[in-house]
Amino acid sequence: GAVVSQHPSRVICKSGTSVKIECRSLDFQATTMFWYRQFPKQSLMLMATSNEGSKATYEQGVEKDKFLINHASLTLSTLTVTSAHPEDSSFYICSARSGQGKDEQYFGPGTRLTVT
Amino acid sequence: GQNIDQPTEMTATEGAIVQINCTYQTSGFNGLFWYQQHAGEAPTFLSYNVLDGLEEKGRFSSFLSRSKGYSYLLLKELQMKDSASYLCAVRDGPYNTDKLIFGTGTRLQVFP
Repeated sequence: GAVVSQHPSRVICKSGTSVKIECRSLDFQATTMFWYRQFPKQSLMLMATSNEGSKATYEQGVEKDKFLINHASLTLSTLTVTSAHPEDSSFYICSARSGQGKDEQYFGPGTRLTVT
Repeated sequence: GQNIDQPTEMTATEGAIVQINCTYQTSGFNGLFWYQQHAGEAPTFLSYNVLDGLEEKGRFSSFLSRSKGYSYLLLKELQMKDSASYLCAVRDGPYNTDKLIFGTGTRLQVFP
């Protein structure tokens, strides 16, 4: 089956610093990747849609200058949380889709970000 | 607006059957997904419905009624490992956008 990895799985950073999270599709090429955020006991909220070779599409209310997304290749998308604050502490999950005709999104294992 | 409703919590006994309901009101509809998520882990795919009716997959079945904006996930022969959150998600918009809108999730606890 399709496998999506994320790195790191957990990260603790100080307020004001930036953190980069990587999302990789290991055994398929992902034309589209998605970034979600999940707060405790809440559901997944889509942050942005990342298409290879083009700019990401951000959901309403998500600051594109704060959450930088780069999808430089068909197997890698990165999310950089810039100038992190404690309220950015959350579970960040990426998912990937191989292309049209494929119904399913494959989720990565998630990254737990804690900003102190 | 976009609205997907699920019960917040449910409990059931090992070996029993449980039905988790999901109602949705979205501007578009191009399929409904059910995912299972254990605490601190990523969601895993359970089922997909785009046409009305029942899709069966082993111990799990999912039903969709597009006219009613309603779906349910049926879990049979419950096992302790089925204790998890179950997320209903609607694909909103054109097929190739694949944008999913998630419900709040239902936390299921299975007791011995």
